[in-house]
Amino acid sequence: SQTIHQWPATLVQPVGSPLSLECTVEGTSNPNLYWYRQAAGRGLQLLFYSVGIGQISSEVPQNLSASRPQDRQFILSSKKLLLSDSGFYLCAWSEGYGELFFGEGSRLTVL
Amino acid sequence: GEDVEQSLFLSVREGDSSVINCTYTDSSSTYLYWYKQEPGAGLQLLTYIFSNMDMKQDQRLTVLLNKKDKHLSLRIADTQTGDSAIYFCASAGQAGTALIFGKGTTLSVSS
Repeated sequence: SQTIHQWPATLVQPVGSPLSLECTVEGTSNPNLYWYRQAAGRGLQLLFYSVGIGQISSEVPQNLSASRPQDRQFILSSKKLLLSDSGFYLCAWSEGYGELFFGEGSRLTVL
Repeated sequence: GEDVEQSLFLSVREGDSSVINCTYTDSSSTYLYWYKQEPGAGLQLLTYIFSNMDMKQDQRLTVLLNKKDKHLSLRIADTQTGDSAIYFCASAGQAGTALIFGKGTTLSVSS
């Protein structure tokens, strides 16, 4: 069966520090991979998605970037965090563009 | 762009039925989904409906789709305190695009 792991689960970082959130999927090949952010009262915002290694689509201009160095690995990064980057980050995967399977989320607090 | 809208809050008593409503704009949506998010966790797929269906029932859950009005609803029969969560409606947009989510409806169940 397929599983998705993301870490760390909780992160507290100062403004201006770097960020790296990692997500891996097991049990499937060539999945579509996604990073969403959930801010209070704003629902789910799609940040990036990837249909293959090295292929990244950015949905919203951000202080963030994403990379897919391996087929089942998706990384969300920032060189310098802003206060507005605080939120709950969710990684997800799908086969094609249908049903999404989500990780447990990473809560980022920028102070 | 395409949009999905849902009311933000719903409060019911234990044992009552809950009805969560959603409207979407993309008439080409092939599948529509309901996800549940418990506090501090990722999203889990509850149920989905194909666009050529009017209704789908799965135990306590009933999904109704009015394709003409682009209106989707989720009915939870005999609502329990464990049903307290955020419920997201999502539509599969145009081919080759990611799911579009609503802002989520927070369901509060009181005993």
